[in-house]
Amino acid sequence: AQSVTQLDSQVPVFEEAPVELRCNYSSSVSVYLFWYVQYPNQGLQLLLKYLSGSTLVKGINGFEAEFNKSQTSFHLRKPSVHISDTAEYFCAVSLSGGSYIPTFGRGTSLIVHP
Amino acid sequence: EAEVAQSPRYKITEKSQAVAFWCDPISGHATLYWYRQILGQGPELLVQFQDESVVDDSQLPKDRFSAERLKGVDSTLKIQPAELGDSAMYLCASSRGQAEAYEQYFGPGTRLTVT
Repeated sequence: AQSVTQLDSQVPVFEEAPVELRCNYSSSVSVYLFWYVQYPNQGLQLLLKYLSGSTLVKGINGFEAEFNKSQTSFHLRKPSVHISDTAEYFCAVSLSGGSYIPTFGRGTSLIVHP
Repeated sequence: EAEVAQSPRYKITEKSQAVAFWCDPISGHATLYWYRQILGQGPELLVQFQDESVVDDSQLPKDRFSAERLKGVDSTLKIQPAELGDSAMYLCASSRGQAEAYEQYFGPGTRLTVT
């Protein structure tokens, strides 16, 4: 079975600073990888996904992530954050040849300070 | 832009009472999912429907939880009786089909508090 580890439960950062949210996965087979964002009291919104092809994936709101197979990582980055990026971020993995339903990590709370 | 609708947004109930949540997926989406998200954790799948049929309910506590999607469109998740440990956010999501499960669209959720 696949699993996801989000290494930081909380990441505080100042506005306009760069940020990286870390995600590592475990799977013995090929996977699809995702990042979702959840604003307070709302559902999840897909930020970006890696299915195949280029290992650098660009998503909405200026976020990008890089798939590193040797490190089994899929870290999320943004070069300059805004106050409005304050939210919970979830990394998720699904088996590329399986049911496709993602398994979610525990989430990382990004807190952007002015 | 089409959205997944859920109601109610918030529900407070006493333990041992019955509670029900409703979800209306995006029009044309054949696959519907119910997740439970405990505070501080990621969502966990409770049940998956393909049209009106249950595809996976292996994580649904069937002694107290039930889910239906009678006409293959909207869906209801019920808990009876509710327990304190059921306090969580209940999220509904939909996708075009099972093969598109990686691209799910989530509703705003129902936050349940059991007292």
